[in-house]
Amino acid sequence: DAGVIQSPRHEVTEMGQEVTLRCKPISGHDYLFWYRQTMMRGLELLIYFNNNVPIDDSGMPEDRFSAKMPNASFSTLKIQPSEPRDSAVYFCASRSDSTDTQYFGPGTRLTVL
Amino acid sequence: AQSVTQLDSQVPVFEEAPVELRCNYSSSVSVYLFWYVQYPNQGLQLLLKYLSGSTLVKGINGFEAEFNKSQTSFHLRKPSVHISDTAEYFCAVSDGRGGYQKVTFGTGTKLQVIP
Repeated sequence: DAGVIQSPRHEVTEMGQEVTLRCKPISGHDYLFWYRQTMMRGLELLIYFNNNVPIDDSGMPEDRFSAKMPNASFSTLKIQPSEPRDSAVYFCASRSDSTDTQYFGPGTRLTVL
Repeated sequence: AQSVTQLDSQVPVFEEAPVELRCNYSSSVSVYLFWYVQYPNQGLQLLLKYLSGSTLVKGINGFEAEFNKSQTSFHLRKPSVHISDTAEYFCAVSDGRGGYQKVTFGTGTKLQVIP
């Protein structure tokens, strides 16, 4: 298996622009997680899905952030409009129902100017 | 709520010396505990995990950790480190309240192995 795939790996945008981050989980995994990593706040869980349904979005910082999972093999995290304080590395992770281990993607480094 | 405290933000250690990275957790119910490693510009990889059973858990790359319920600790150890162990290490916990689905990560410990 190719592991969790994220795109793009790097994104540089200007304040106010819309940003869409993409994730393809490991095939057969039932859970998908979006995390944000910053120096100040460490690794924070933003939202997670189970069988494509959002279960807990309490970590989503504000209404500018939205996440979708239209099918079992694809998820997006959208920021609209983006702000400089959104600059961070965003990780996607997935896991199956039969294991307790989350497998992380390589991350998307977002820079908002 | 579950939480994790990693007491050291950075740990420098000489090559071939032993190392211990400290982790304490807080939860009022049974827990699963994890250690992940993050190499520069990469995602997190699982080193080892404790779910139940033996309190001494062995992981990849020669690392091991011991679950101590009375101390609410899960310290990571390696008897002899290599340059390639230079990375950031994250302790994490999930508890039964949420069906072990949500994982809370510590703030990380940067291990710097000095030649």
